[in-house]
Amino acid sequence: GAGVSQSPSNKVTEKGKDVELRCDPISGHTALYWYRQSLGQGLEFLIYFQGNSAPDKSGLPSDRFSAERTGGSVSTLTIQRTQQEDSAVYLCASSSGQASGELFFGEGSRLTVL
Amino acid sequence: GNSVTQMEGPVTLSEEAFLTINCTYTATGYPSLFWYVQYPGEGLQLLLKATKADDKGSNKGFEATYRKETTSFHLEKGSVQVSDSAVYFCALSDPNDYKLSFGAGTTVTVRA
Repeated sequence: GAGVSQSPSNKVTEKGKDVELRCDPISGHTALYWYRQSLGQGLEFLIYFQGNSAPDKSGLPSDRFSAERTGGSVSTLTIQRTQQEDSAVYLCASSSGQASGELFFGEGSRLTVL
Repeated sequence: GNSVTQMEGPVTLSEEAFLTINCTYTATGYPSLFWYVQYPGEGLQLLLKATKADDKGSNKGFEATYRKETTSFHLEKGSVQVSDSAVYFCALSDPNDYKLSFGAGTTVTVRA
């Protein structure tokens, strides 16, 4: 597709379950980002992938969170043993990888942990 | 570390009113500055940017000037429309770091 695609758009899960969120970036974009948007708060950086370099995981809030990017394209964010505080909108973005370049965002995956 | 502070909302305006959303930043180097906008039901999209001091970014009638002396990047529009109702995010990127640091967002509602 022309833009960044995320799935699912909405996910409701029970506390303690694992969830996987998928991001399909714009074709040819080497950089991919995950952010978290909580109610009333700004965007919190989670993780960044650039080409074949080691990802920047400095924003992951706990070891329950992990992400991978296969073949330099699709990325999956996994949250294990979900907690209620994990409820948020998870945003994926991609870019050409150049400094000061524009980030293109998907519409997000809204996660609700009951 | 880098951080962005923007005025809290929500902001409610009438059509054709003047809009200002304040944004200040803290950065160790010389960052690039951005305004992103999130319209209802859509993803964030870049509204405008400025990459060095005194640069002015502009788009869709919005403007923001990179003020190094006051570490600010305030967003302005002279005459808002209902279609400008959205959440606006100020952001910065360090030239040595590809991450964007975002402000908390300001919700703007324009009434006809």
